Amino acid sequence: GAVVSQHPSWVICKSGTSVKIECRSLDFQATTMFWYRQFPKQSLMLMATSNEGSKATYEQGVEKDKFLINHASLTLSTLTVTSAHPEDSSFYICSARDSGALTDTQYFGPGTRLTVL
Amino acid sequence: AQSVTQLGSHVSVSEGALVLLRCNYSSSVPPYLFWYVQYPNQGLQLLLKYTTGATLVKGINGFEAEFKKSETSFHLTKPSAHMSDAAEYFCAVRKRGGGADGLTFGKGTHLIIQP
Repeated sequence: GAVVSQHPSWVICKSGTSVKIECRSLDFQATTMFWYRQFPKQSLMLMATSNEGSKATYEQGVEKDKFLINHASLTLSTLTVTSAHPEDSSFYICSARDSGALTDTQYFGPGTRLTVL
Repeated sequence: AQSVTQLGSHVSVSEGALVLLRCNYSSSVPPYLFWYVQYPNQGLQLLLKYTTGATLVKGINGFEAEFKKSETSFHLTKPSAHMSDAAEYFCAVRKRGGGADGLTFGKGTHLIIQP
């Protein structure tokens, strides 16, 4: 199946700093990517939908100024957590939509664990 | 709005026994249905999905699920559990025609395999 990578796989940062997470589709082009957040032992919650060449669409309750999303190319979307605080510590997972596939499938990356001290 | 309910946050079965993980959805129109597995500190792997056609769907690792519209269910089964099946399982939905939509996930079921 298609492969989606994320970088870094884990990051520890100090409170107040910004952290950028990359999501790449390695063998297909993805006009749409999604960012999810998962708290320990909980489910995934959709944060935003990232569309190549346009502004991201955020879910209700997600601060767009805090979670900046850029989808600059058909294979790369980035999530920047600005002025991170301990409550932003979480597991962030992206998925990429392979609209070229016969079954229009979303493939998930391995996730990035963010710890804010 | 659509939602997903997974009954049982933890399910424990003996190795070799039947695995049954329950998933019910709530949607005005039957959505696309998915089962994903997540191993500790890893992303999600698609086990199987139902979009259209045959209601019994076979996936990877011996898992299968049956879409039952009358029961609004999409339960996941495996005839014989293996130790390597121990993981977190998520049922998810996406509305039909909503290719550009994200998925709505259930709360997950932690599958424990006893030797």
